[in-house]
Amino acid sequence: DTGVSQDPRHKITKRGQNVTFRCDPISEHNRLYWYRQTLGQGPEFLTYFQNEAQLEKSRLLSDRFSAERPKGSFSTLEIQRTEQGDSAMYLCASSLGGTGIGEQYFGPGTRLTVT
Amino acid sequence: AQSVTQLGSHVSVSEGALVLLRCNYSSSVPPYLFWYVQYPNQGLQLLLKYTSAATLVKGINGFEAEFKKSETSFHLTKPSAHMSDAAEYFCAVSDHGGATNKLIFGTGTLLAVQP
Repeated sequence: DTGVSQDPRHKITKRGQNVTFRCDPISEHNRLYWYRQTLGQGPEFLTYFQNEAQLEKSRLLSDRFSAERPKGSFSTLEIQRTEQGDSAMYLCASSLGGTGIGEQYFGPGTRLTVT
Repeated sequence: AQSVTQLGSHVSVSEGALVLLRCNYSSSVPPYLFWYVQYPNQGLQLLLKYTSAATLVKGINGFEAEFKKSETSFHLTKPSAHMSDAAEYFCAVSDHGGATNKLIFGTGTLLAVQP
């Protein structure tokens, strides 16, 4: 068990550019979550995958955001035409589905700065 | 809908003193409750969880929390603070009444430990 990994850890981009983040969950976990955390706030839910299916998207996820989880393994989160308000820490978490509580294990996050 | 409120965005204690971080929840279903810790520029680490079994929950690093339904509270305590406990702490409730089990976080409490 190598834990949840995210890449890159830091990304600085200019306003209007596109960025893509990657998350590799714990290998046997079928549930994957993306959250966004801004300074001084708790993480806020963005989207959820069960295997390869994206089952829920928050209203925070504007149409400039898209997420995928091909083959139910790693996931990518893309932001198109970035805005300064997109600056935040993007956290990925995974959990094991089933009848248990399925506590979520978080990756180290990708910190995005839009200049 | 579920929500959590953390009272006190900043708490400062002396090394060796009692740590008490407050969390109140609102939930339309019996809640699953969590405390996570976040060190600077890192992801979230699970400290402990409540899943409707014992009301006093013991976690890692000497932390514990007590579920009090009558007070809708899930406060986090540690008898004796250590310098390494300085971090941000988040209380969260699971939206397990829905299909995703997404976490709804409070705004966090930053714990400072003075020597």
